[in-house]
Amino acid sequence: DVKVTQSSRYLVKRTGEKVFLECVQDMDHENMFWYRQDPGLGLRLIYFSYDVKMKEKGDIPEGYSVSREKKERFSLILESASTNQTSMYLCASSFSWQYGYTFGSGTRLTVV
Amino acid sequence: AQRVTQPEKLLSVFKGAPVELKCNYSYSGSPELFWYVQYSRQRLQLLLRHISRESIKGFTADLNKGETSFHLKKPFAQEEDSAMYYCALRSRWPSGSRLTFGEGTQLTVNP
Repeated sequence: DVKVTQSSRYLVKRTGEKVFLECVQDMDHENMFWYRQDPGLGLRLIYFSYDVKMKEKGDIPEGYSVSREKKERFSLILESASTNQTSMYLCASSFSWQYGYTFGSGTRLTVV
Repeated sequence: AQRVTQPEKLLSVFKGAPVELKCNYSYSGSPELFWYVQYSRQRLQLLLRHISRESIKGFTADLNKGETSFHLKKPFAQEEDSAMYYCALRSRWPSGSRLTFGEGTQLTVNP
């Protein structure tokens, strides 16, 4: 019963490419989040959204943007991919913070 | 600003031994803390929340506001506890809430 789906498990992109990472949730959650996960650094918040067409910058938004046109879909965009954006990207959604986040399986992005 | 620190990147114990994963936080408001776990090849998932004072899979965690800590403990570690553990702090944003995660601790339970 997959509830948060990230469209790609692995991606390899070239430096300078525009990259789209897609995330879809089927739980009617209002809150959605994008994190990147790096060894020794943990999870760092890139962007989050509390409603359709609404977005907030997290701790490391530089080089990224997001789009939320529909409640169930939250896209992360790398405007011009760079090698330092090679990472595991995790999408999450939540109904309310008390109930925790539901995470996707992650997209491992390699920029060459 | 909110911050979560997990001082041990790696922790190795033997099966049946007690285990404690450390978590320290800094936050100006009233803290709400969580532990998340990621088993090999699985998704990150919620393990426990301090507000519910629950024990999950034998793990407990007590919020110590004086020491600003939320250490995760289990009296007898099992091999299936081997995983990456993240401590997380909820912080309030003008438009809602967000979680700040620590660096993570990789726990290995040896047979």
